[in-house]
Amino acid sequence: DGGITQSPKYLFRKEGQNVTLSCEQNLNHDAMYWYRQDPGQGLRLIYYSQIVNDFQKGDIAEGYSVSREKKESFPLTVTSAQKNPTAFYLCASSIMGEQYFGPGTRLTVT
Amino acid sequence: QKEVEQDPGPLSVPEGAIVSLNCTYSNSAFQYFMWYRQYSRKGPELLMYTYSSGNKEDGRFTAQVDKSSKYISLFIRDSQPSDSATYLCAMKTDSWGKLQFGAGTQVVVTP
Repeated sequence: DGGITQSPKYLFRKEGQNVTLSCEQNLNHDAMYWYRQDPGQGLRLIYYSQIVNDFQKGDIAEGYSVSREKKESFPLTVTSAQKNPTAFYLCASSIMGEQYFGPGTRLTVT
Repeated sequence: QKEVEQDPGPLSVPEGAIVSLNCTYSNSAFQYFMWYRQYSRKGPELLMYTYSSGNKEDGRFTAQVDKSSKYISLFIRDSQPSDSATYLCAMKTDSWGKLQFGAGTQVVVTP
């Protein structure tokens, strides 16, 4: 089955710790994206990558980092510098302009 | 002012009714318009993808784009309880551009 997988589904961390969220796709899509979703707000773009070994900051990149070493994988690290890390994180990939989303990871930082 | 405005709802309708959703936007350069459905605690699912103005129909779903009014709509005919979800509009200026999302409208279809 082709698709986008994100793991884990729920993640809990203590304040001050870095945490890495996984995103894998087997759709052979070139472009991948990370969004953050907060209650009552639309999706906000954190980082995106159109090809391997290249990525660009989105609208809210501060406190986050990414890598794109393989076409299939686009992990997101939430660093301790992110002031409000608790949110629902969504990974997406796209082809021919159509963007498809993974199931999401809910991160809670206390 | 947000680039894309969407009424958050909730919008409650009886089963079988037509659900009417809409978004307004300010950037006249937007040319590609999408509607996503998102169930609680799940990732958004692409429902409709349209380019420029006009209508597009897919089963019970119809998407309309009026670029002159900067207004897009999604209609769901013969609504079912399984249509209860949050519907997000999204748009971009070119095929490879960044998506701008509305905040989403929560829809509740009651049996």
